[in-house]
Amino acid sequence: GDSVTQMEGPVTLSEEAFLTINCTYTATGYPSLFWYVQYPGEGLQLLLKATKADDKGSNKGFEATYRKETTSFHLEKGSVQVSDSAVYFCALIKIRDDKIIFGKGTRLHILP
Amino acid sequence: KAGVTQTPRYLIKTRGQQVTLSCSPISGHRSVSWYQQTPGQGLQFLFEYFSETQRNKGNFPGRFSGRQFSNSRSEMNVSTLELGDSALYLCASSSAAGNTGELFFGEGSRLTVL
Repeated sequence: GDSVTQMEGPVTLSEEAFLTINCTYTATGYPSLFWYVQYPGEGLQLLLKATKADDKGSNKGFEATYRKETTSFHLEKGSVQVSDSAVYFCALIKIRDDKIIFGKGTRLHILP
Repeated sequence: KAGVTQTPRYLIKTRGQQVTLSCSPISGHRSVSWYQQTPGQGLQFLFEYFSETQRNKGNFPGRFSGRQFSNSRSEMNVSTLELGDSALYLCASSSAAGNTGELFFGEGSRLTVL
């Protein structure tokens, strides 16, 4: 079945470091891909999305490119801040299935 | 525009009891979905309602049920609570156009079963 695999956390970085959180997916057809972020004590928020191959989603300095050849959607940021500390979820949806599938989440700690 | 509102935010129950959680979606959103979040299993899809009809259901036992009202507000119920039901229950709404994957989440209801 369809699935999303994320790198295990927690990931701990110093402020201003470069961030990569890996995400790969398994799905038939052409899913849309998402990154959601969950700050402490809050629900999830949509961070960025990409709906077709080679699309790049971006928001708040974060970027991810939909790579169909490697079935990946890795999240990157050039210079992280303490306020980026959160749990990040990669997700996919296939419109005909109408059901969104989340990865298990990657906890990110940024040290000042 | 008000966000997704979930009540109660925190609750403690004992095994065997039942619980009802409520979710008010963003105005104009007709789709409401529910998720269970635990440290071990991550986010697991429970069910989704659209215009008062259950459109999708995850792999949870029949003790977990839900409904949606004509004003799009939704409730989920868990009967005969077990210790393993302790979790953060998240509700999400999406636009009237259907589920595009762009979900707006509430802050969740944290259930502790003793």
